Amino acid sequence: NAGVTQTPKFRILKIGQSMTLQCAQDMNHNYMYWYRQDPGMGLKLIYYSVGAGITDKGEVPNGYNVSRSTTEDFPLRLELAAPSQTSVYFCASSQLWTGSGNTIYFGEGSWLTVV
Amino acid sequence: ELKVEQNPLFLSMQEGKNYTIYCNYSTTSDRLYWYRQDPGKSLESLFVLLSNGAVKQEGRLMASLDTKARLSTLHITAAVHDLSATYFCAVGWGATNKLIFGTGTLLAVQP
Repeated sequence: NAGVTQTPKFRILKIGQSMTLQCAQDMNHNYMYWYRQDPGMGLKLIYYSVGAGITDKGEVPNGYNVSRSTTEDFPLRLELAAPSQTSVYFCASSQLWTGSGNTIYFGEGSWLTVV
Repeated sequence: ELKVEQNPLFLSMQEGKNYTIYCNYSTTSDRLYWYRQDPGKSLESLFVLLSNGAVKQEGRLMASLDTKARLSTLHITAAVHDLSATYFCAVGWGATNKLIFGTGTLLAVQP
């Protein structure tokens, strides 16, 4: 029962460094998402993907890149890390919306601090 | 631009009391989600509401949706300490099921 798996769980980056947050799901979901949650706030969508090879921007995409080479994996890349990217990052996945109610599954989160 | 507002942002209540969290959203949507988040944890799905007048209940929590008023409520009955957490509503939109989240309501149930 893996569901949505994120790695790493915690990471400290120095300003200007780059890193990739990994996300994998084993439910054969077409849709995958990356959200960030700043302290005391709700989640905001960074990028999403509707299938392998197809990605699109969400509300707050600046400073991030994504790729989707397989159905299972959806990594999020931070280039030139900045303190404003200190946040908790959640990966999520779901099936195609059918109108009958789809559960959206969230990973455990990745805590990132940029110093 | 779709906006989702929750109130109150913080709610301190005594065990055994009832209270309601409100979620207003600015644009028509056909789905409304409620999540629970414990400190340092991921989001736990509570309810998905799909139609006007929908009501769902699980234990001491009951959620309802009024699509005409663009309002959802999460009602807490006879609160217990275990319900202490942050509760988020989120509006889903489009075939891609993207979510727009409210800012959350931090619920603290005092003995």
